[in-house]
Amino acid sequence: ETGVTQTPRHLVMGMTNKKSLKCEQHLGHNAMYWYKQSAKKPLELMFVYNFKEQTENNSVPSRFSPECPNSSHLFLHLHTLQPEDSALYLCASSQTGPNNEQFFGPGTRLTVL
Amino acid sequence: DQQVKQNSPSLSVQEGRISILNCDYTNSMFDYFLWYKKYPAEGPTFLISISSIKDKNEDGRFTVFLNKSAKHLSLHIVPSQPGDSAVYFCAASAFQGAQKLVFGQGTRLTINP
Repeated sequence: ETGVTQTPRHLVMGMTNKKSLKCEQHLGHNAMYWYKQSAKKPLELMFVYNFKEQTENNSVPSRFSPECPNSSHLFLHLHTLQPEDSALYLCASSQTGPNNEQFFGPGTRLTVL
Repeated sequence: DQQVKQNSPSLSVQEGRISILNCDYTNSMFDYFLWYKKYPAEGPTFLISISSIKDKNEDGRFTVFLNKSAKHLSLHIVPSQPGDSAVYFCAASAFQGAQKLVFGQGTRLTINP
């Protein structure tokens, strides 16, 4: 595997379900990110992790819970989501520090019924 | 309030001609700008970047121009090829929040044979 991978690619869940999204990067980076892209909206940054520590939470509701066990893996735990949370969730990684391009995974298309 | 705007949702260009994609920003603290390209069912792919100390950066067929006084940047693709058909996103960050990329809504570029 190369680059940034995400599983599952598609997920349909009910509002009472608990599910997790997984991201893995094979680029040797130390920073990882979660983004959300809703229909007809720009990508929105959700969380940033540097060296496994969360350094940014962009006012994300607590029903989204990230976890970063090591620099290569990032999870997004989902519980009691709302239909408006349906979106494309993208993971990215980069070197830490400024002016480093972020490399994106293919995303998970989430539908909340 | 959207800090990065791509006012053209779509652009159609003939193969071999120049494609010009535009992006405007409002935050004067932004000092690093990137262009990403996205194909369907894939994550965004980094194309080219520019720091605010420059006004032009070139990489093969891709050139990015930055006009700081107008808070405007543009991506030129010449010559345009059918494989360039994709959605193009402009993104910006400020040194103080260097890992917080703010994205535009994207412009769908179609290259016609």
